Amino acid sequence: SQKIEQNSEALNIQEGKTATLTCNYTNYSPAYLQWYRQDPGRGPVFLLLIRENEKEKRKERLKVTFDTTLKQSLFHITASQPADSATYLCALGGNTPLVFGKGTRLSVIA
Amino acid sequence: NAGVTQTPKFQVLKTGQSMTLQCAQDMNHEYMSWYRQDPGMGLRLIHYSVGAGITDQGEVPNGYNVSRSTTEDFPLRLLSAAPSQTSVYFCASSPPHSGSGGYEQYFGPGTRLTVT
Repeated sequence: SQKIEQNSEALNIQEGKTATLTCNYTNYSPAYLQWYRQDPGRGPVFLLLIRENEKEKRKERLKVTFDTTLKQSLFHITASQPADSATYLCALGGNTPLVFGKGTRLSVIA
Repeated sequence: NAGVTQTPKFQVLKTGQSMTLQCAQDMNHEYMSWYRQDPGMGLRLIHYSVGAGITDQGEVPNGYNVSRSTTEDFPLRLLSAAPSQTSVYFCASSPPHSGSGGYEQYFGPGTRLTVT
């Protein structure tokens, strides 16, 4: 069955540094991959989508890469700020409904 | 636009009771879905719908029913609540969702359900 792993449950980094979150998957060939942000007590909010034929996507301080050979996506937040502290979810999609990873809780320390 | 709305925000049920979680969207989205989120388990798909009159099961459908009589509404019914259904429930919607389309999903604020 499909399996999605996000590198760690929690990640702590210093303000100003680049945060890198990992999403690995097995038994799946997704047509696209999405990243969401979730704050405590709220629903997830869409951030970025990258398709299987795209290597990299950027949006302001966010960058996503997608390597279908490694079956991995990397999510980068540059110049991180305390306001970036949240849980980040990756999700894979294609001809079947979206499947979500368990998320990585990012804490940016001032 | 209100986006995706869910009611109630909180609910406590006794084992065996039934109830309906309401979800509505005003974005004319064809695709709607229900997820539950549990600590350590992530978001798991319960049921989804690709349009009015069409529903299908997700990963964890047992104990839940859905119907989609209009584009706007997608209620989730718990037939006989069990403590294992204690969770946070999220409804989401998006434009038509198939193949390489890959549209973003808009989530509601969630319903926190406790079954005692």
